[in-house]
Order: sequence, then structure tokens, then C-alpha cells
Amino acid sequence: GDSVTQTEGQVALSEEDFLTIHCNYSASGYPTLFWYVQYPGEGPQLLFRASRDKEKGSSRGFEATYDKGTTSFHLRKASVQESDSAVYYCALIHSNYQLIWGSGTKLIIKP
Amino acid sequence: EAAVTQSPRNKVAVTGGKVTLSCNQTNNHNNMYWYRQDTGHGLRLIHYSYGAGSTEKGDIPDGYKASRPSQENFSLILELATPSQTSVYFCASGDPGGADSDYTFGSGTRLLVI
Repeated sequence: GDSVTQTEGQVALSEEDFLTIHCNYSASGYPTLFWYVQYPGEGPQLLFRASRDKEKGSSRGFEATYDKGTTSFHLRKASVQESDSAVYYCALIHSNYQLIWGSGTKLIIKP
Repeated sequence: EAAVTQSPRNKVAVTGGKVTLSCNQTNNHNNMYWYRQDTGHGLRLIHYSYGAGSTEKGDIPDGYKASRPSQENFSLILELATPSQTSVYFCASGDPGGADSDYTFGSGTRLLVI
């Protein structure tokens, strides 16, 4: 079945560091891919989505490019801030119309 | 503003008791979902619904029932609560329309079963 893999369970960075969170998926065709962010005490909220090969999604300085060839949708940000501390989830939706979630990556910004 | 509202925000229940978690959405989405979130497990789908009167089993439905009496409301019911159901529960509404897919989550209900 369809699946999403996030390899980093936790990432610890300093302010202004470059962020990469890896997301690889397994699904046929062209599933819609998502990045969600979850702040403490809140529900997940959509960062952005992409549904076509080479499409770039972006929001709040974060971006990811849909890559069908490597089945990836890696999240990147050039310069993280303390306010970016949160859990980030990669997800996809495909033929069964259910969201398939990655396991999440906790981003910690060190003071 | 379109939203998903969950109630209660916090709940303490006794083992063997009945618990009902409520969810209301103003997004006019057809689909609604109940998830639980536990450390080390991420988000796991319990039940979902395609519209009023519809309920479907998700990945971990055992011990839970769901009810969708209207487009706006979707409830999760624990008939006989157990300590293993202590968790944070999230409701979401969704419109899985391909490139415009959109899912909105509530703020969660923290349930403690003692």
C-alpha cells in the first residue's frame, strides 16, 4: 500500500541554520503531497501541498519540490527561527482519498 | 472563518464509563475524520465519514464507535473506556479533491482514562 517515510525523528538546529527534513513516498501515479506543521497544544495545520512533478510548494519560508523520479518531497528552509519549533509531518493522499501520514519530525531550535 | 471545533478540550473518565467526543465543522466538507495521537505513533485513523449517516472504520477502530448525524457534526464514542484509550484525539474535516485537497484539524481533546 501507499506509504510515507520521514527518516529524521528529531532535528536540532541553531537559529539561522539551514533546515532539511527528508520525506520519501511510495505510491503509484501522482499522489498529492502535503507538509503539515503541528505546534504544541494544537492540531496539525497545512503548510502547503503539491500535486505535479517538479511543482514547488512554499509557505512561511518553507519549501519543497515534488520529485517523481526520486519519489521525494523534502522540506527545506534557509534560515530557521525559534518560532519554527514544532513537529512537521509529510503526508500524501491518493486513490482511496485517505491521508497517509509520515511519522513526523520534531524540530528543536537551540537557543 | 471556517473551522473545526472539538469539545471538550480535556476529559477525565473512569474505566468502564462511556465517553463521547464531539466535533463540529463549518467548512462544508463532506469528509470528516477522527485520529488519535500518541508519542511514538504519530496520527492514527480511528473512524471517518463521507457524509451524514456514513461511518467507516479506519486503521484502529476497535473500542470506538462513530456517529455522523449531520454534515457538520461527527462524534467519537467510547462505550467502555479503558486506560489504553488515554490519548489526544483530533477531529478533521477534508475535501480530497486532488490538487485542491484541503484538511482542517481541530485543536484536539486530551482524554485521560483512570
